[in-house]
Amino acid sequence: DGGITQSPKYLFRKEGQNVTLSCEQNLNHDAMYWYRQDPGQGLRLIYYSQIVNDFQKGDIAEGYSVSREKKESFPLTVTSAQKNPTAFYLCASSIEGLAGGGEQFFGPGTRLTVL
Amino acid sequence: KQEVTQIPAALSVPEGENLVLNCSFTDSAIYNLQWFRQDPGKGLTSLLLIQSSQREQTSGRLNASLDKSSGRSTLYIAASQPGDSATYLCAVEDSNYQLIWGAGTKLIIKP
Repeated sequence: DGGITQSPKYLFRKEGQNVTLSCEQNLNHDAMYWYRQDPGQGLRLIYYSQIVNDFQKGDIAEGYSVSREKKESFPLTVTSAQKNPTAFYLCASSIEGLAGGGEQFFGPGTRLTVL
Repeated sequence: KQEVTQIPAALSVPEGENLVLNCSFTDSAIYNLQWFRQDPGKGLTSLLLIQSSQREQTSGRLNASLDKSSGRSTLYIAASQPGDSATYLCAVEDSNYQLIWGAGTKLIIKP
């Protein structure tokens, strides 16, 4: 089955730790995205990548980092510099990049909690 | 700056009713508008995508309309069922090709 997988489903982080969230897609999509979802707010874009080895900051990139070494994978690292990382993180992909105007397909999400 | 608003934040209706969810946006310069469904603790499922040149899209019991000039979209759900209970999100693709999201409407269909 084609789709997007995210792991882990739940993640707990101690203050000062870096953690990495996994996102993999087998849809052969060029573009991938990371969003953060907080209660009562719309999704906010953290980073996006339109092609391998290229990525751009979204609206709330501070305290996060990404890599795009393979088309299928777009891991997100939440660093200790992110002061309020507790949230639900969603990964998405689309056939083309942002200017393509196409649908984005979403993974099941990772809930990160800071202890 | 584009802002997207969804009102109400929550809605509870009896099974079988037809209902309308609202989405408004402040800047009419959009490329498209999308409606998504999100079940608790889960990812998003795309329901309908309306290009800026279109007025509406239909899929089964769902119909979405778009009025760019007034900055409004509605999602019409016919003959609601308990399985329709979820949070419904709308998002517009703005002039920078980014999706700007509303906070969602949580819908509960009572059996």
